[in-house]
Amino acid sequence: AQSVTQLGSHVSVSEGALVLLRCNYSSSVPPYLFWYVQYPNQGLQLLLKYTSAATLVKGINGFEAEFKKSETSFHLTKPSAHMSDAAEYFCAVSDVGSSASKIIFGSGTRLSIRP
Amino acid sequence: NAGVMQNPRHLVRRRGQEARLRCSPMKGHSHVYWYRQLPEEGLKFMVYLQKENIIDESGMPKERFSAEFPKEGPSILRIQQVVRGDSAAYFCASSGQGGEKLFFGSGTQLSVL
Repeated sequence: AQSVTQLGSHVSVSEGALVLLRCNYSSSVPPYLFWYVQYPNQGLQLLLKYTSAATLVKGINGFEAEFKKSETSFHLTKPSAHMSDAAEYFCAVSDVGSSASKIIFGSGTRLSIRP
Repeated sequence: NAGVMQNPRHLVRRRGQEARLRCSPMKGHSHVYWYRQLPEEGLKFMVYLQKENIIDESGMPKERFSAEFPKEGPSILRIQQVVRGDSAAYFCASSGQGGEKLFFGSGTQLSVL
């Protein structure tokens, strides 16, 4: 069975500092991996998606994530945090080629940005 | 260019009442997905529907919960005889024919008193 684990339900960084949100996955087959962002009072938006092409995936708003098979990780990073990055971030996994109904979400990490 | 629209935004019900949550998918989308989010937990898949068909309801509780997506009108998630444990945020998402990329609504926060 597939699963994702997000380490740290709440991360706080200073504006301009590096953002690192951790995600580890468990899958018996090569997965698709996703990061979604949820801004206050809004639905989830897709930040980026790994589909077995390049291991370093670039997303919107300066975020990127690296797929590391040996570590079963897909951590999300941004070199310099901005106040507008404050939101909840969800890592997700699914089987390659499966429908969206099979996407499994992590429990989320709330990112706070200190001025 | 409306996205996925959910209403109401907040819904308060007393135990034993019925809750109806509505979702209008993005224009041109015919696939709708419902998810539930409990506090401190990720989104849990509930049901996947296409127009007039339930494709996958493996995440739906066996009792009291039902969903439909009629030929005309929004998708409806219906919870009968609500209990306090039903209190959660319910999100709807839609996708086009390819089915991979999801577009989410802002959710309905259900509170059961």
